[in-house]
Amino acid sequence: DAEITQSPRHKITETGRQVTLACHQTWNHNNMFWYRQDLGHGLRLIHYSYGVQDTNKGEVSDGYSVSRSNTEDLPLTLESAASSQTSVYFCASSARAISSYNEQFFGPGTRLTVL
Amino acid sequence: DAKTTQPPSMDCAEGRAANLPCNHSTISGNEYVYWYRQIHSQGPQYIIHGLKNNETNEMASLIITEDRKSSTLILPHATLRDTAVYYCILLPLDSNYQLIWGAGTKLIIKP
Repeated sequence: DAEITQSPRHKITETGRQVTLACHQTWNHNNMFWYRQDLGHGLRLIHYSYGVQDTNKGEVSDGYSVSRSNTEDLPLTLESAASSQTSVYFCASSARAISSYNEQFFGPGTRLTVL
Repeated sequence: DAKTTQPPSMDCAEGRAANLPCNHSTISGNEYVYWYRQIHSQGPQYIIHGLKNNETNEMASLIITEDRKSSTLILPHATLRDTAVYYCILLPLDSNYQLIWGAGTKLIIKP
């Protein structure tokens, strides 16, 4: 069955280190998204991509970068981790880029702690 | 900021219908109403969406008022596995498809 996976599931790092979170989907979806979720809050969009070589900034993109070299993967990089980036990170993908049908499929999440 | 208002929490007895309200009084004509839910420690899951008409699928029903200023998600026979946070989200037709998430409603199904 098609799925979307994230790795690692848990990560502890130190302030100032570069960290990369992996996201891999086998749905063959063109659209992929990265969100962060802080305790007790809804999700906030970090970056998104509508296809290979396409990336766009979301609501809270400062300190994060993404690259899309193939359809399946959208890694998220924290250039220099900060304690404010301690959060749960979710990756998602969707088949269509139209508002009339925009079901997003979410991965299980990565819990990142920055000490 | 989220353009929807939801109660922070609700309880429902197992086997009963759970009715989750959402207020979106400033909705514009080209905005869809989407519902997602998030079971504890998992990624969100799509439930249903609609524009003007009521919608039903295998998971739930969505009732949108005629003036579109509010909607209700109905889980017809709630089970313990429906305990989750439910998010009501507006998605404009001409947007770049960004879902703007609020705090949602924590629904607790009680045995």
